[in-house]
Amino acid sequence: GAGVSQSPSNKVTEKGKDVELRCDPISGHTALYWYRQSLGQGLEFLIYFQGNSAPDKSGLPSDRFSAERTGGSVSTLTIQRTQQEDSAVYLCASSSQHPGVSNQPQHFGDGTRLSIL
Amino acid sequence: AQSVAQPEDQVNVAEGNPLTVKCTYSVSGNPYLFWYVQYPNRGLQFLLKYITGDNLVKGSYGFEAEFNKSQTSFHLKKPSALVSDSALYFCAVRLPMGAAGNKLTFGGGTRVLVKP
Repeated sequence: GAGVSQSPSNKVTEKGKDVELRCDPISGHTALYWYRQSLGQGLEFLIYFQGNSAPDKSGLPSDRFSAERTGGSVSTLTIQRTQQEDSAVYLCASSSQHPGVSNQPQHFGDGTRLSIL
Repeated sequence: AQSVAQPEDQVNVAEGNPLTVKCTYSVSGNPYLFWYVQYPNRGLQFLLKYITGDNLVKGSYGFEAEFNKSQTSFHLKKPSALVSDSALYFCAVRLPMGAAGNKLTFGGGTRVLVKP
C-alpha cells in the first residue's frame, strides 16, 4: 500500500520567507510525527499528533515553527521568517499507535530537503 | 531523559563478513528499542524492534539485534554483509508508556560501507 508521502521533496527559499511542508500519512494511522535531520544535530523530534488530542509540541525549536493536522490526516509544518539554520531535511512519520502504547514502529516519508539561501 | 549512543561514525566491512553496528542507551524504565536504515535521499526504513520477550530479535533483510539489559545495549548484526547493506543506520529508543509523547530518541547514526 501507499507509504507516507511528503511534498515538496525539495524546497529552496530566501531567508525571511515563510515555507509550508506537507505530510500525507499512511491511511488509518492515528499518530503523526515530524522530525528534523541536520548535519550538526542529527535527528530531532519536533512535534507529535495523536488522534484528536492536543499535540506534543515540546520539540519545536522556536515560535517560528508551527504545525497542524486537519481532519486527523494530512499535516502541514510551517516555518515563518526562515533562517539559514533552518536548512535541513524535514521528515514525517506515522504509526498505528494507540494512546499510551508505544510499541508500534513509525513509518517515515522520504522527507523535504529545505535549503535557505 | 533518554539518550542513545552509537559509538562508531562508520563501520567498514568486506562483503560476506559479519556486520555489527553498536548501540547503547540510557533510559529510566524498560525501553522499547528500534533500528532503522536510511539510504541516500530516502526516509528511514524500519528494520526491527525489541519490545519484550526474547532478547534476540530478527528483522528485515537478514538483520538481527540482541537486547542486553545489563549492558544497556542493542547491537545490530548481520552474519554475512552485502554491498547493498551500505547505508546509514540509526538506533532509537522510546519509553513504553508514552511519557515522552511516544517520540523516538535517535542515536547519531552509523554509516556502514560494505566493500566487494
